[in-house]
Amino acid sequence: EDKVVQSPLSLVVHEGDTVTLNCSYEVTNFRSLLWYKQEKKAPTFLFMLTSSGIEKKSGRLSSILDKKELFSILNITATQTGDSAVYLCAVLFSGNTGKLIFGQGTTLQVKP
Amino acid sequence: DSGVTQTPKHLITATGQRVTLRCSPRSGDLSVYWYQQSLDQGLQFLIQYYNGEERAKGNILERFSAQQFPDLHSELNLSSLELGDSALYFCASSVRGTGPDTQYFGPGTRLTVL
Repeated sequence: EDKVVQSPLSLVVHEGDTVTLNCSYEVTNFRSLLWYKQEKKAPTFLFMLTSSGIEKKSGRLSSILDKKELFSILNITATQTGDSAVYLCAVLFSGNTGKLIFGQGTTLQVKP
Repeated sequence: DSGVTQTPKHLITATGQRVTLRCSPRSGDLSVYWYQQSLDQGLQFLIQYYNGEERAKGNILERFSAQQFPDLHSELNLSSLELGDSALYFCASSVRGTGPDTQYFGPGTRLTVL
């Protein structure tokens, strides 16, 4: 059975801390791994990773994929209260479909 | 704002009833996806349409059906509703519907079944 597992499930840090969120997967026909941030409502897209070892970066957020060990990490440096959200990892399958399988999410709370 | 619109924002109904959720994709996007998010199941893929045709199916119940119209908007029909159908229903859209194609999510419809 295809599955995506995120850890930790929840995390509380203080502003300025650096956090690492983990996502491991066991799927057939892997194409890409995506990270989304979900605050109040809709998930918003952060990164798509397709190749192993190539870091994607956007401001204080960065992510990397390891296709050999089947995992990805999302790093957030110098956290701010606005980073408080649920971070979702999802796997996109190869083939003629855009089906995404999501992990259960990591709830991050950043305290002032 | 992702450009994906969903109506209604909230829906409260009774068990056994039928409801229709509507989604308009971003301009230029040909593919539409429906997801269900509940507290115990997380975000679950239901179904995908591409340019009016069904492209992929997930764990969608037989009581649920969807379609994509020629103007590319989509509707998700939920019938014989049960308490367990209460959830947040998201629509997402993308350009191609396959490959490294980013999905953009709408604001969701919160369905409450009483």
